Amino acid sequence: KAGVTQTPRYLIKTRGQQVTLSCSPISGHRSVSWYQQTPGQGLQFLFEYFSETQRNKGNFPGRFSGRQFSNSRSEMNVSTLELGDSALYLCASNYSENYGYTFGSGTRLTVV
Amino acid sequence: KNQVEQSPQSLIILEGKNCTLQCNYTVSPFSNLRWYKQDTGRGPVSLTIMTFSENTKSNGRYTATLDADTKQSSLHITASQLSDSASYICVVNDRGSTLGRLYFGRGTQLTVWP
Repeated sequence: KAGVTQTPRYLIKTRGQQVTLSCSPISGHRSVSWYQQTPGQGLQFLFEYFSETQRNKGNFPGRFSGRQFSNSRSEMNVSTLELGDSALYLCASNYSENYGYTFGSGTRLTVV
Repeated sequence: KNQVEQSPQSLIILEGKNCTLQCNYTVSPFSNLRWYKQDTGRGPVSLTIMTFSENTKSNGRYTATLDADTKQSSLHITASQLSDSASYICVVNDRGSTLGRLYFGRGTQLTVWP
């Protein structure tokens, strides 16, 4: 069965712009969570959605936002991009916590 | 403060040798602990997941152990292969009655040399 699909795979933006990343979870998975991964900070939790509702949020500024659609697909938006936002953004979905999270391959965002 | 600490930060071993990676956590309440393998530039791939009542879980040449009393876990890799070169990340879920959130270690970078 198809895994978690993230698009685009790579993205280059300039400071001040905004960006929208997309994540399609595994069919049947209703939970989608987003993470930022940088060499200095490792993986950091951004937020989690379940049935179109944000259930949990990490310690990121309000420039980072997300949403989930009725088909469980999710988008993440970053406004007013900063150089420090350059990172690998990962999306993960799961059916139930004890079944584990499945990660997508990520979107590599570079802000110049 | 909920934290997950992994050691060593990096490790180099020769092909065919065994190795053990460590994970200590302070996350509470504890729900489950997972080990992921992440190849460079790719998303993490789940290796094992263990709940409070499980002490050991194997996935091929990977064996994870969990001591919930001391809040320690280890990942043992047997007969290493070049393809085992990756970052290994320990993740702890603090779920209470909701989906909870995940706490990530910074990973151990394993390099297997021929």
